Amino acid sequence: KQEVTQIPAALSVPEGENLVLNCSFTDSAIYNLQWFRQDPGKGLTSLLLIQSSQREQTSGRLNASLDKSSGRSTLYIAASQPGDSATYLCAVADNNDMRFGAGTRLTVKP
Amino acid sequence: NAGVTQTPKFQVLKTGQSMTLQCAQDMNHNSMYWYRQDPGMGLRLIYYSASEGTTDKGEVPNGYNVSRLNKREFSLRLESAAPSQTSVYFCASSPGRLNTEAFFGQGTRLTVV
Repeated sequence: KQEVTQIPAALSVPEGENLVLNCSFTDSAIYNLQWFRQDPGKGLTSLLLIQSSQREQTSGRLNASLDKSSGRSTLYIAASQPGDSATYLCAVADNNDMRFGAGTRLTVKP
Repeated sequence: NAGVTQTPKFQVLKTGQSMTLQCAQDMNHNSMYWYRQDPGMGLRLIYYSASEGTTDKGEVPNGYNVSRLNKREFSLRLESAAPSQTSVYFCASSPGRLNTEAFFGQGTRLTVV
């Protein structure tokens, strides 16, 4: 059974800092990995989707990487802003299901 | 651009009551899903429908039933609500079953007292 872990559970940084969020998974036989953003009381917004054949995806200030062999993905946020404050979830799709991590709650302080 | 629409947004039920959560998507996606989100546990799959006319159990199906009414709509029914079903429920859809991007609704916050 695929297990997805996100560390740290919470992170607080000053505005302007570059930061990295981590996601690890136990079974490397995946279709893709997706990063989501969730604001308090809201649904999930897809940020980046990395297919299993890809190494990274970029969108604006966000860059996500995937290393299937080590079972890891990172989400890099450049020049963080208070508006980036949210919970970030990663989800891994394999042959059985899409499994979610518990998320990293990010606070960017002005 | 409605995307995935869930109703209601909030609901309070008494133990033993029944209710149906509604979900509709306007993206012509084949696959639809119901998840629940509990504090510290991430999202867990309740049921999914890979395509119109099919439904399958996910990780936590007990106490729930689903209906894929047509390609657009996928409902989740609680026949006899229990306090353990207090959670936030999310509907999602995707073009294909597992190898494509998933899109989520805004969620239904359900409290069972």
